[in-house]
Order: sequence, then C-alpha cells, then structure tokens
Amino acid sequence: AQTVTQSQPEMSVQEAETVTLSCTYDTSENNYYLFWYKQPPSRQMILVIRQEAYKQQNATENRFSVNFQKAAKSFSLKISDSQLGDTAMYFCAFNAGSGGSYIPTFGRGTSLIVHP
Amino acid sequence: GAVVSQHPSRVICKSGTSVKIECRSLDFQATTMFWYRQFPKQSLMLMATSNEGSKATYEQGVEKDKFLINHASLTLSTLTVTSAHPEDSSFYICSASLVLGPYEQYFGPGTRLTVT
Repeated sequence: AQTVTQSQPEMSVQEAETVTLSCTYDTSENNYYLFWYKQPPSRQMILVIRQEAYKQQNATENRFSVNFQKAAKSFSLKISDSQLGDTAMYFCAFNAGSGGSYIPTFGRGTSLIVHP
Repeated sequence: GAVVSQHPSRVICKSGTSVKIECRSLDFQATTMFWYRQFPKQSLMLMATSNEGSKATYEQGVEKDKFLINHASLTLSTLTVTSAHPEDSSFYICSASLVLGPYEQYFGPGTRLTVT
C-alpha cells in the first residue's frame, strides 16, 4: 500500500515571497505519478502540477515547480512570487502507473496562507 | 481541460429521506469515477470507486447499502445517500480520471449535504 505524508499542517508566506511545501511518500512501485492539487476556499480541487516518476527533470508550471527526489521519495512543491490567490489547502497525491492500482492516495494537506 | 460537473451544489434534506448527487464528465469519457467525503479542514476520504457498467468498489467502513453508487454511462455517476441521518452531513466530492493515464483527477465542485 502507498502512503503520502505531508508534515506541515499549516504554512504562511508573505506576498511575493517563495514557499516550499513538503511531501514524502512510500511505495514499492517503480512506475507512478505524483500530483499537487490545490483546494481554495471555494473547495474546487484543481490540479497544480504533475510529475511522472520515470522523468528525472522536475516539472514546472509557471510559478509552481517541484523538487522530485525519487531515491528519497520526496516530492516538494515550490511556489515562487506568492500571490494572495495562492491561499488554499494543498494536497500531495500519488497514483501507481500501468499495472498498479489507479486509485489515488492523498496526503492530509497543508493549509497555506499568503499574507499581503 | 477536462470538466466535471456535480449537482446539486447544496442540498438540505430531512432525516430519513434519500438524496441523489450527480457527477458528470462534460467533455470526456470517464471509465472510472471516484466519490470522496471531506470533513472540514481535512483531507479527502475515498468512499468508493465507480466503474462504468459494473458494481462500485467500496472502501472499508463505507456502507454500500447506505451510499448507493451507479455508473450507468461513461459520463455519469450518481451517489444516493439513503435514509440520511445528521451524521451524513458533509461535503461530497466526485472525480473522474482517464484510466489510460496519467491518472490525474478531474474534480467536481462538490456537494454540501445538510441533513436536519
């Protein structure tokens, strides 16, 4: 079974600053996908970024980037130039690839508050 | 991107009645849909996995006779809360994924159920 751990229940950052949210996971799978989802106060879950485990290059999406350390089973999210609209719950998630269970596993979430 | 709708967004019902929540993938075919329950400031709790044309797979501890799931087509899954009680009050979220990969979830906006 897979587990996803987010050790930071709450984080805060000043607008325009950079913040990093941590996520570690445990799996015996070799082929898998990792995701960060954002849930703003509206509660609509939105995909922020995705990383395929077989890719060594860290994924980036505008101000969002990940630091994927496969050997350490770590998948942190860096938000640069934080904006007020980044205030949300952030969930790290894991999915096994082909041949594995496609049922996602979510972490407990990190509540991020961006201060003006 | 892929869009998932969920209806109703809010519902209030009396104890003992049944409530149906619909989840639709609007612009793609979803072989698999997921139903989650989310308590305030907590992570998503997977209730069941719904596959088109077959019986849903329920997570341990979820009463399948109470939470009826039907996935009649590739674009529609429904969750019926039968004989609702106040403790069933919660935020219910559906999601759909493209099973061929990369398994990212497309979420509906959620349904706030209040049982009085």
